[in-house]
Amino acid sequence: EVQLVESGGGLVQPGRSMKLSCAASGFTFSNYGMAWVRQAPTKGLEWVATISYDGSSTYYRDSVKGRFTISRDNAKSTLYLQMNSLRSEDTATYYCTRVITTRYFDYWGQGVMVTVSS
Amino acid sequence: DIVLTQSPATLSVTPGESVSLSCRASQGISTSIHWYQQKSNESPRLLIKYASQSISGIPSRFSGSGSGTDFTLSINRVESEDFSVYYCQQSYSLPLTFGSGTKLEIK
Repeated sequence: EVQLVESGGGLVQPGRSMKLSCAASGFTFSNYGMAWVRQAPTKGLEWVATISYDGSSTYYRDSVKGRFTISRDNAKSTLYLQMNSLRSEDTATYYCTRVITTRYFDYWGQGVMVTVSS
Repeated sequence: DIVLTQSPATLSVTPGESVSLSCRASQGISTSIHWYQQKSNESPRLLIKYASQSISGIPSRFSGSGSGTDFTLSINRVESEDFSVYYCQQSYSLPLTFGSGTKLEIK
């Protein structure tokens, strides 16, 4: 059974940093691209970033480019999202997802809440 | 960016009815559309890929159609467990974008 378990969320002040982790199990992690998708409170879904199966390629939405870094450790089957210079508009539930051919998301974690507020 | 417009925003139906949810893209995207279901306080679940391709484990009452700019998710005989929010997502070009969702509620 595919499982994606996020951790690392919480309350953070504007301008500060936070790192999210996603522990994957139930599939060969190193064979799949992975992504982060977020959802602001009562809002819709928003793609954040994608990383290829081997980490050689990364893609970001413009609003997080230069502030967020997606990475992975295939030996640990873990995905990361380093978030710097956080803004109030980054407040959301962040979902770790498995991505197929960088195109669509076939498995989702339970999500982790990030609140950016002073 | 490709904008996806979903309609209606809310659809009120009685269990047993069949429904169609619309997703319109701001430009032609071939069949690069995918559909998700999100129940209250849960994570999204993939329902349909590439406009009409079925997903293992998803009930057969869910089907998709369309190409170009107009896409439809159909639910044949809605069941109580189907009342949730449905999102479409395009993978034609980056950034990947989602529609704003259609909420399917009980009449």
